[in-house]
This record gives sequence, structure tokens and C-alpha cells, in this order.
Amino acid sequence: EAEVAQSPRYKITEKSQAVAFWCDPISGHATLYWYRQILGQGPELLVQFQDESVVDDSQLPKDRFSAERLKGVDSTLKIQPAELGDSAMYLCASSLDQHLYGYTFGSGTRLTVV
Amino acid sequence: AQRVTQPEKLLSVFKGAPVELKCNYSYSGSPELFWYVQYSRQRLQLLLRHISRESIKGFTADLNKGETSFHLKKPFAQEEDSAMYYCALRGGGNKLTFGTGTQLKVEL
Repeated sequence: EAEVAQSPRYKITEKSQAVAFWCDPISGHATLYWYRQILGQGPELLVQFQDESVVDDSQLPKDRFSAERLKGVDSTLKIQPAELGDSAMYLCASSLDQHLYGYTFGSGTRLTVV
Repeated sequence: AQRVTQPEKLLSVFKGAPVELKCNYSYSGSPELFWYVQYSRQRLQLLLRHISRESIKGFTADLNKGETSFHLKKPFAQEEDSAMYYCALRGGGNKLTFGTGTQLKVEL
């Protein structure tokens, strides 16, 4: 069964450092999402891509967060500088057709900022 | 704005008892509702969606637009149903908004 791949699984970084997460969606999935899940809360959308274009980044803290999907395939989410409040699980998901199908989630990257 | 409310953080039931996980939503348009499940040490996965009107693993959910609810039900709980359940709404801009989740614990 095809999966959404994410790396690393875990990341510990010091505050004010830069950190990056990588996501490889299921082959052929045009829509890619990055979600953040703080402990005890549901996932919150950070950014949505359709192919290489950003469709929604209204909840992305653009002063420190950036996301790209240059060739419309894999994607990178970056935080610079990291803050203590960024500690969370970062989930990537992809969808074949945003209108018809549910999302397939990756296993996530757990970030701890110390 | 779209919002999903799951009032219970934890629901504990005995094996064989009926289960109802509550979900209420707020959205001015015509919503699409989903239930996602996360078993221990596994990734978040789609359980069911309202437009499919299907039963998955014995679970069903009916969209009640009058009460703005999409409660998840199962007549007889099984031990393997223990997991975290998230209700989600897709509204404007195809944005999927999640509730805070309900931890279901099925006790023997």
C-alpha cells in the first residue's frame, strides 16, 4: 500500500536554530498538505499545495515558517528561527483529488524545541 | 469560519456496549464531514466520510444538518476499537478542519 513518507521521525533542536522537514506524497497525488498538531489538540492546517502552487497558507506564521514544493512532488517545511512554542507533531498529507477523496497522512515528524 | 467540536476528551466503555462519539460543527455552507482514527503508534487514517454513507468496521455516522452533528456510532464496542478519533469538516477552500479528538477506551 502506498504511503506518504516523512523524515525525520523525531527532531530535537535548540531555540533560534533552523529546522526542516521533508515529505514525499503518494505518487500522482497533486494536493499536499502540512498540518501541525500540538499535544492534546487536533491537527491544524499550515499550508496546502496544488501541484507546485500554494493554495492556502493563511495559518502559516510566515515570519518564521516557509514551505515549498518546487517540482510539484516532494515538499519541505522550514522553521527559522525555531521557538519553544513550535514543539509539536508536523504531519504531511496528500490527496489524489481534493474534491473527491480523503487525505492520506504520513507518520509525522515530532519536533521538540529546547 | 468553520469549526468542529468534540466535547469529550475521553470516552470509556465496556466491551460489547454501544459507542457514540459526539461531533458538532459550525459552517454556513454545505459541509463535507469525515471521521479519522489513529490507533496506538499508527498514522492518522480515514475511517469514513458522510457522502459515502457506508459502515466501516461496524461504525456508522449520519450527518444531521438540523442539529449540525455528525456523531460516530457502533452498536457493540470491541477491544480493537480503542483509539483516538477525530471528526473533521471540509468547507470553503477545501480546507479540512479537525476537532480536538476523543480518546475511546474499550475495557474488558
